[in-house]
Amino acid sequence: EDKVVQSPLSLVVHEGDTVTLNCSYEVTNFRSLLWYKQEKKAPTFLFMLTSSGIEKKSGRLSSILDKKELSSILNITATQTGDSAIYLCAVVDGSSNTGKLIFGQGTTLQVKP
Amino acid sequence: GAGVSQSPSNKVTEKGKDVELRCDPISGHTALYWYRQSLGQGLEFLIYFQGNSAPDKSGLPSDRFSAERTGGSVSTLTIQRTQQEDSAVYLCASSLMGGGNTIYFGEGSWLTVV
Repeated sequence: EDKVVQSPLSLVVHEGDTVTLNCSYEVTNFRSLLWYKQEKKAPTFLFMLTSSGIEKKSGRLSSILDKKELSSILNITATQTGDSAIYLCAVVDGSSNTGKLIFGQGTTLQVKP
Repeated sequence: GAGVSQSPSNKVTEKGKDVELRCDPISGHTALYWYRQSLGQGLEFLIYFQGNSAPDKSGLPSDRFSAERTGGSVSTLTIQRTQQEDSAVYLCASSLMGGGNTIYFGEGSWLTVV
């Protein structure tokens, strides 16, 4: 059965810390991997990764995919309280052409002042 | 519209009643998805639309759940004879064409069955 696993499930840090969130997957027909940030209800898109070893960067956030290890990491440097959220990792299931996502459980990040 | 719009944002219903949840995708997006997020759980796929047809309904948990899409735009998710385990956030998402395109989510409809 296809699955996506995130770790840690929750994390508490202080402002200014750097955090690394992990995502591993076992998906028979991998197409791409996405990261989302969920603060209230709507997950907001962060990154889409399709190629191994190429870092995507947006401000203090960056992410990279390792297809050999079937994993991805999301890094957040100089964390701020506004980074507190659930971070969701999802893999696009390429077994059909639907583009449907298989989600991990999410990592809940709390950044304390 | 500018983003995916869902209504109602919150709904409390009595066990056994039917509910309808509405989704208005981003204008021009042909692919539409419904997901469910129960408390403390990841997002669970329910159904996928391409235009008005639903080639993948594999995630619908029971025959009490159905969805339709009209005019290649608005979609309605209907839950009949609601049960307490149906309580969750129902998230709608759309993408340009499906496949590997980025999927954008709406704010969700929080359903509580009492």
